[in-house]
Amino acid sequence: DGGITQSPKYLFRKEGQNVTLSCEQNLNHDAMYWYRQDPGQGLRLIYYSQIVNDFQKGDIAEGYSVSREKKESFPLTVTSAQKNPTAFYLCASSMTSRYGYTFGSGTRLTVV
Amino acid sequence: DQQVKQNSPSLSVQEGRISILNCDYTNSMFDYFLWYKKYPAEGPTFLISISSIKDKNEDGRFTVFLNKSAKHLSLHIVPSQPGDSAVYFCAARRAGNTGKLIFGQGTTLQVKP
Repeated sequence: DGGITQSPKYLFRKEGQNVTLSCEQNLNHDAMYWYRQDPGQGLRLIYYSQIVNDFQKGDIAEGYSVSREKKESFPLTVTSAQKNPTAFYLCASSMTSRYGYTFGSGTRLTVV
Repeated sequence: DQQVKQNSPSLSVQEGRISILNCDYTNSMFDYFLWYKKYPAEGPTFLISISSIKDKNEDGRFTVFLNKSAKHLSLHIVPSQPGDSAVYFCAARRAGNTGKLIFGQGTTLQVKP
């Protein structure tokens, strides 16, 4: 079955450490996105990529980095520069010629 | 700049009654609107959508209404079921902007048995 996989589901890191969240899709979608969910703030766009080797900042890109070396993969690194990294992170993908996203099941990151 | 707003953080309805979730937007360039449903610790799933050239779209118990002049859309769930209890996100796409969606803050719906 085609889908989008995020791993791990739960992640704990010490403050000051970088951490990378994985996102893989086998839907042959062109575009991929990273969102962050915080209580009362909905889904906020961190980064997105519409083609391989190209990506753009979203609304809250500071303290994050991404890469898009393969169509199937769009990992997100949460760096030590991100002031409030504890959140629920969602990856999504879409065909750029169509509407709507397919979401992964999310990664809950807790920084202690 | 919150271009898509869901002003009601929560809504509680009785099983069997109608649930109405509202969404307002500010950008007249939005040409497509979607509703997503999200359970805790899971990713959102697509529910229903509507193009800006329509004013209503229906899918089973779910109907979305679009009022372009008021820049307002609503999701009606009839009849509401306990399994509908979730967070509902409204999203909008700007014309010509391939793919990228802007989401509202979400409304938590609780359907009581």
